[in-house]
Amino acid sequence: QSVLTQPPSVSGAPGQRVTISCTGSSSNIGAGYDVHWYQQLPGAAPKLLIYGDSNRPSGVPDRFSGSKSGTSASLAITGLQVEDEADYYCQSYDSNLSDSYVFGTGTKVTVL
Amino acid sequence: QGQLVQSGAEVKKPGASVKVSCKASGYSFTSYGISWVRQAPGQGLEWMGWISAYSGDTNSAQKFQGRVTLTTDTSTSTAYMQLRSLRSDDTAVYYCARDGPGTYYGIDVWGQGTTVTVSS
Repeated sequence: QSVLTQPPSVSGAPGQRVTISCTGSSSNIGAGYDVHWYQQLPGAAPKLLIYGDSNRPSGVPDRFSGSKSGTSASLAITGLQVEDEADYYCQSYDSNLSDSYVFGTGTKVTVL
Repeated sequence: QGQLVQSGAEVKKPGASVKVSCKASGYSFTSYGISWVRQAPGQGLEWMGWISAYSGDTNSAQKFQGRVTLTTDTSTSTAYMQLRSLRSDDTAVYYCARDGPGTYYGIDVWGQGTTVTVSS
């Protein structure tokens, strides 16, 4: 099981704001390692949404934002749209696991 | 921007090995690393390992150490992942993805995925 914990599901109506938490520990997020977020639409490969805690790659709408504090990180989606319905994963680096990358448990976002 | 194209689906018997290829184009292959990530049916993403396309240095998750081999061929800009002693719970979609440089930029280009089915 993953060392980064996310809520299994989050939902909201179109136009609302939702947030997804990613809780780690002192060996990963709390150690200051970068956190990245990915969006995975059904049947598709993951897509980088946020890198380096809070940066958006070119082409990612500014409705998506990332933050980090202590041993946790968060992804916020403002102005939720139908096409945002997907699975979302956080990722970081862990110094206790042979210096490995780790993914979060994943969160299903449902647009009501 | 870059593109990664993976080899086709595989069906293997328990105990066999599988080798998945990942051909890069549109960027300087040796300027980045390649991570391998898998996703079992209905499950989340699982990081398997990483290889530097520049130096060939590798790092793999503890779970796969001794069973996975990551290599690259810089002459063809292709990365390979071989997984040995396959079990039924290795049935998954396997992704290669461009990684880095460093840990700041995340995994920004993904292959289309290769489905590996392990069944007797």
